[in-house]
Amino acid sequence: GESVGLHLPTLSVQEGDNSIINCAYSNSASDYFIWYKQESGKGPQFIIDIRSNMDKRQGQRVTVLLNKTVKHLSLQIAATQPGDSAVYFCAENTGTASKLTFGTGTRLQVTL
Amino acid sequence: ETGVTQTPRHLVMGMTNKKSLKCEQHLGHNAMYWYKQSAKKPLELMFVYNFKEQTENNSVPSRFSPECPNSSHLFLHLHTLQPEDSALYLCASSQDYGRAVRFFGPGTRLTVL
Repeated sequence: GESVGLHLPTLSVQEGDNSIINCAYSNSASDYFIWYKQESGKGPQFIIDIRSNMDKRQGQRVTVLLNKTVKHLSLQIAATQPGDSAVYFCAENTGTASKLTFGTGTRLQVTL
Repeated sequence: ETGVTQTPRHLVMGMTNKKSLKCEQHLGHNAMYWYKQSAKKPLELMFVYNFKEQTENNSVPSRFSPECPNSSHLFLHLHTLQPEDSALYLCASSQDYGRAVRFFGPGTRLTVL
């Protein structure tokens, strides 16, 4: 989930298990959402996006679910691998897609 | 590699120094962005340029001065910074202003002493 403050929430998952990372967004008018992955020492990397007219979208090993009723977004990673260890954060957009509002993120730790 | 490069990767400067951050994108995009990422806050948009013209200044203090000489290059000129300006400064690009940002550079880790 999202975090306020210096310490990010951490999700620890065993290699091979599925991961679910959650995000609560703030604006009911938001119509576009993105998940990013940020590895240590690197910039954010686009993972997957979803528009508000969809409830689910699948990519390679990742699925994003959108529940507009409760303003909740989740990222599911199948068969989590050590290379998935990173901070994951969501972003929401209202209006111009360039102007995204970002969450603070969740740290995913993959244990062997 | 995302196609967006930034230099330097690390920078330490005193409050009276003047320095510049450089960003270059090799994607043929028309819009470029500066973001600030600090430990206590989510990513904050600072500036947006579309076709070399500044389209957004997100109430950024004047001690940060952006420059976009062409669609492929973006600079952030720094002077008389404060210790609270220490952060990771990220450059990003998108095909056009109005499309979501998908490509970020690796960032410049700035420390102001």
